Amino acid sequence: DTAVSQTPKYLVTQMGNDKSIKCEQNLGHDTMYWYKQDSKKFLKIMFSYNNKELIINETVPNRFSPKSPDKAHLNLHINSLELGDSAVYFCASRGTSGALGTGELFFGEGSRLTVL
Amino acid sequence: GDSVTQMEGPVTLSEEAFLTINCTYTATGYPSLFWYVQYPGEGLQLLLKATKADDKGSNKGFEATYRKETTSFHLEKGSVQVSDSAVYFCALSRATGRRALTFGSGTRLQVQP
Repeated sequence: DTAVSQTPKYLVTQMGNDKSIKCEQNLGHDTMYWYKQDSKKFLKIMFSYNNKELIINETVPNRFSPKSPDKAHLNLHINSLELGDSAVYFCASRGTSGALGTGELFFGEGSRLTVL
Repeated sequence: GDSVTQMEGPVTLSEEAFLTINCTYTATGYPSLFWYVQYPGEGLQLLLKATKADDKGSNKGFEATYRKETTSFHLEKGSVQVSDSAVYFCALSRATGRRALTFGSGTRLQVQP
């Protein structure tokens, strides 16, 4: 019954590795997001997809590549991980039309990435 | 660009004390305003929202009023509980164009018994 689910919840890996985080929402929303939360709790938008189309692409290293196979899924792949990539990554979704267009975002529980 | 400024924390209060967390914003047009709460080890949950000037959002004893003239959306609660200890984020969203939430830096609230 989880509305926005992310996997894995915890990820510990070595510098230079490649890793992916997956996100799925069952709310029928058409827009999904990735946010990065640093150690000071600051939240920064990274990417957003609307119906599988990339609509927000902030200044993020191109080692980060989002992929949206359908409007219910948004995955994040990170190449050549660096120490500074350690953070909590949150997926979120939002409905933008009709009864779903309430404006708020629904967040997953986060994926804590630790790069050693 | 859009921005949200919150008071720095941590805010430490005794149980049953009155809470105010200040939030001001800068945005073009008429954004929607939100307060989110993040409990330890969890994701963000919507606490309350307001979509137009003078609207008051309220939930679980928390309230915030959308003040266009002062571009503010301060969070208040009359009597906090230990279970309210969390990080609180103020955020805005524009009705058109870029549709991501812009967050403030968060304010940590610690309520002591």
